[in-house]
Amino acid sequence: GQSLEQPSEVTAVEGAIVQINCTYQTSGFYGLSWYQQHDGGAPTFLSYNGLDGLEETGRFSSFLSRSDSYGYLLLQELQMKDSASYFCAVSDYGQNFVFGPGTRLSVLP
Amino acid sequence: NAGVTQTPKFQVLKTGQSMTLQCAQDMNHNSMYWYRQDPGMGLRLIYYSASEGTTDKGEVPNGYNVSRLNKREFSLRLESAAPSQTSVYFCASRRVGNQETQYFGPGTRLLVL
Repeated sequence: GQSLEQPSEVTAVEGAIVQINCTYQTSGFYGLSWYQQHDGGAPTFLSYNGLDGLEETGRFSSFLSRSDSYGYLLLQELQMKDSASYFCAVSDYGQNFVFGPGTRLSVLP
Repeated sequence: NAGVTQTPKFQVLKTGQSMTLQCAQDMNHNSMYWYRQDPGMGLRLIYYSASEGTTDKGEVPNGYNVSRLNKREFSLRLESAAPSQTSVYFCASRRVGNQETQYFGPGTRLLVL
């Protein structure tokens, strides 16, 4: 089976940097993805790591260490609109996806 | 290019009633998924379809059936709704490649009384 762990809540101020960690236990691993979801909305794709290392997309970066079964999402220059829930998700070599429980980020003025 | 569309947006059912949730994508993706999301929780995979004509169970398939009608459409059916199936249902399609990406529909909010 597969299980993922994320902090339930993170709070930061505008302009700051925040890191959301994700650890996983899987029977098979293909890649780690990150999704953002605003209240009442649908999840939207942020980033994907298929290989170890850092992926950068604008203010967002994501990191993966396969040997540690660990990844993180880094959000820089936080804005109020970044207040949302963030989910990591693991895909295996098949078509199965497992999402983490989500981290609720609150950005304060 | 509408992406992933779902109907209906909201539905109220009585226990024991049946209904079908519709999903369509116009991105020519092979893979499609149905998830449910309970309040304050992550998404749980119900069923998926790797390609037209194939479907497989996810983590929580009990009480549901699916049909992959063609490449564009993937429907989810509740044969006899139960209050435990009150949830938000999301359909997604998947782009495979260097950037594994799922595109989600707006969701169907289902209340079973």
